[in-house]
Amino acid sequence: SAVISQKPSRDICQRGTSLTIQCQVDSQVTMMFWYRQQPGQSLTLIATANQGSEATYESGFVIDKFPISRPNLTFSTLTVSNMSPEDSSIYLCSVEGWSGGALNEQFFGPGTRLTVL
Amino acid sequence: ILNVEQSPQSLHVQEGDSTNFTCSFPSSNFYALHWYRWETAKSPEALFVMTLNGDEKKKGRISATLNTKEGYSYLYIKGSQPEDSATYLCASPMDSNYQLIWGAGTKLIIKP
Repeated sequence: SAVISQKPSRDICQRGTSLTIQCQVDSQVTMMFWYRQQPGQSLTLIATANQGSEATYESGFVIDKFPISRPNLTFSTLTVSNMSPEDSSIYLCSVEGWSGGALNEQFFGPGTRLTVL
Repeated sequence: ILNVEQSPQSLHVQEGDSTNFTCSFPSSNFYALHWYRWETAKSPEALFVMTLNGDEKKKGRISATLNTKEGYSYLYIKGSQPEDSATYLCASPMDSNYQLIWGAGTKLIIKP
């Protein structure tokens, strides 16, 4: 298993500002994942953060809006840029377990609850 | 677009009662079905991973069944307790990359 911490746990931000969310894992991992869950919606994968290379973004998400850093194998940041109320969500980082393939369990951080006014 | 659907969206249950809710997924190209439990202010945690049609898994008062032919899984909670209050998420990998597609969750509230 992996223990994951996130900072901040919650924030209330003004429209047009940016927020950087930090994710720390207690072990070295190759891939880290960033998700968001908008109110009443499914968990949606934003991007996969790989150490030493650019993040891989899912359809509908772009680097200018959600820049990601991955400076080492235990840490990543996600920035939500130029925020609007539609960005109000819970943002989660996660890593995969070691089962492999379709059985892979994911371990999650506790989430960052963002409200944009 | 391949969707994982959960119903109901929310559920209020009296303490001590048993309950169940549903996860539906496309039955073609099935790999696995995951159930997670997400308590407020905590990390989502894995409950079950199921792969075989007819599978039934149990953890304490919580159990799950799987029907891959018709594309659904049920999660059952027997004798609900306040600590069972959480959002229950299901997810299924839809391609060979095994990226999980998530349902929107069922929010369970246990009334004392």
